[in-house]
Amino acid sequence: EAGVAQSPRYKIIEKRQSVAFWCNPISGHATLYWYQQILGQGPKLLIQFQNNGVVDDSQLPKDRFSAERLKGVDSTLKIQPAKLEDSAVYLCASSPTAGTVSYEQYFGPGTRLTVT
Amino acid sequence: AQTVTQSQPEMSVQEAETVTLSCTYDTSESDYYLFWYKQPPSRQMILVIRQEAYKQQNATENRFSVNFQKAAKSFSLKISDSQLGDAAMYFCAYRYRYSGGGADGLTFGKGTHLIIQP
Repeated sequence: EAGVAQSPRYKIIEKRQSVAFWCNPISGHATLYWYQQILGQGPKLLIQFQNNGVVDDSQLPKDRFSAERLKGVDSTLKIQPAKLEDSAVYLCASSPTAGTVSYEQYFGPGTRLTVT
Repeated sequence: AQTVTQSQPEMSVQEAETVTLSCTYDTSESDYYLFWYKQPPSRQMILVIRQEAYKQQNATENRFSVNFQKAAKSFSLKISDSQLGDAAMYFCAYRYRYSGGGADGLTFGKGTHLIIQP
């Protein structure tokens, strides 16, 4: 079974530029999560989708971050314009259904973003 | 809101020895899950062990076991017979129990960097 795929693995941009990250969850997984992991900290949830609907985006900085999950499969996370403090690893995770006890979240390898 | 605290930024242990990583959490919920994740330099987050709050028995997975103290809101991870491959960042995480389509994102601590000395 293929795992969660993310691209690119690394990205360097200048502040005020825009950037987009892509995530392909495990086939059949209804729920998709985006986390931001700043250096030296644990991951923080940005947004959770169930199929193509948003379940939780309470910690997403909506003035500059946006995310979509068209057709309930792949997802894209965008930052526009980027700030220095957005430098972080962006992790995507998926699980078969939302909140079911016995299902864990499977994480992708992450995208490391550096904003200069 | 729930919080997760890991008070040990770094721990070091000799190969084959036992080490315990600490975690405390704060929540007003009574039904939830606790996890330990391992993150090697490759950045891939790997589930090590899971504990359901309603279970009194501590979870065990091979060399990994937990000490879950619900009243004290404490959740420590014990690694026995440490191996070089155990070297990584370890994160404690919390998730409240699903109830009708609600959000279930993980809340993580800041992590503990585990060093294994040969």
